[in-house]
Amino acid sequence: DAGVIQSPRHEVTEMGQEVTLRCKPISGHNSLFWYRQTMMRGLELLIYFNNNVPIDDSGMPEDRFSAKMPNASFSTLKIQPSEPRDSAVYFCASQGENTGELFFGEGSRLTVL
Amino acid sequence: DQQVKQNSPSLSVQEGRISILNCDYTNSMFDYFLWYKKYPAEGPTFLISISSIKDKNEDGRFTVFLNKSAKHLSLHIVPSQPGDSAVYFCAASLTYNTDKLIFGTGTRLQVFP
Repeated sequence: DAGVIQSPRHEVTEMGQEVTLRCKPISGHNSLFWYRQTMMRGLELLIYFNNNVPIDDSGMPEDRFSAKMPNASFSTLKIQPSEPRDSAVYFCASQGENTGELFFGEGSRLTVL
Repeated sequence: DQQVKQNSPSLSVQEGRISILNCDYTNSMFDYFLWYKKYPAEGPTFLISISSIKDKNEDGRFTVFLNKSAKHLSLHIVPSQPGDSAVYFCAASLTYNTDKLIFGTGTRLQVFP
């Protein structure tokens, strides 16, 4: 029974480079969320989709961040250009209809040097 | 503007004793509350939830209490076990499903022998 799958698990890049994080939600789930975990702010919601449509992107910090969900089984979070302050763990989570529980992936740890 | 606050970044409890983790929120429209548990290098996993129409929900060793007038909830773990050592996140939502979860900053619980 596959859970939420994220890739890469770890990414080290240099400032200014483009970073793309990927997520495959649980099959049949219709909502997908991108969170960022930092020490100061905990789990911070960046954006979420319902039925592949972005519903709320108010948490996206800057125009350097963008997210897409081209189909029900795939989403990307892109940072271009990346900066050292973007270093964090990025989590993807999915949610089924008629359930309040989110299922999280294992996260992508991003380090921007 | 942190709508969900966990003011204790860490808590240390002896095995067998009670662990009490606290959470405060500012938005009186929140209708659904959850606790998530997170081990290092893993994604958060759902632990227990409570609807705003209740003031208590129990699941084995875990009990969540909700005080709506004080905008406060707490998670009680009795008895605490070393395997409970993790970061605990409190989360709140305006609706039961298809809505974003707002997380607190987390409390790191350490249960020692």
